[in-house]
Amino acid sequence: AQKITQTQPGMFVQEKEAVTLDCTYDTSDPSYGLFWYKQPSSGEMIFLIYQGSYDQQNATEGRYSLNFQKARKSANLVISASQLGDSAMYFCAMREGLTSNAGNMLTFGGGTRLMVKP
Amino acid sequence: EAQVTQNPRYLITVTGKKLTVTCSQNMNHEYMSWYRQDPGLGLRQIYYSMNVEVTDKGDVPEGYKVSRKEKRNFPLILESPSPNQTSLYFCASSFTSITGELFFGEGSRLTVL
Repeated sequence: AQKITQTQPGMFVQEKEAVTLDCTYDTSDPSYGLFWYKQPSSGEMIFLIYQGSYDQQNATEGRYSLNFQKARKSANLVISASQLGDSAMYFCAMREGLTSNAGNMLTFGGGTRLMVKP
Repeated sequence: EAQVTQNPRYLITVTGKKLTVTCSQNMNHEYMSWYRQDPGLGLRQIYYSMNVEVTDKGDVPEGYKVSRKEKRNFPLILESPSPNQTSLYFCASSFTSITGELFFGEGSRLTVL
């Protein structure tokens, strides 16, 4: 079974509007971390935001926030006030605890390509 | 400057010719990992290492070897490359806690003819 699922292969958003990128995950480990990365056309991987499974509040970093719904096992990325420079691939990833069978691997979803329209 | 450095960045080779992609990090991270990225498949883990002399297979280890003789270095070896190993490869490192953000190298684009 897929550990990380991103159901939106591609999305468009109008500049200055907000957009939500979906991510669901699957784990039986009570201790895990969730990450979002951005990959612009230049190819590098840029860390955006982190959410821990025990964190009480949703993570925020500037225009990025993570809508963490633990019971639904979802960790959607919200980008507010989209900018042209936000056009990129976005990857959701999960890291399970050191004692899990995953052995501390960081597993990625298939990605969502976001295109911001001027 | 904290960084993960991988070389070469671009390589075209032929089937069967052994090659090594080097990876080095200067952040004293215990955890290092290799991923390959293919269109529509996201990033898939090839091998990872929790510390010196400790390596484990990821999701797609076939056709690859790694070694971790020093903490800072984690080379990826293709003993006999084949065209299906044409891909974009990323090396990454982090601390081993669940909060450990992965730091990525710039990527190595490999073409096997």
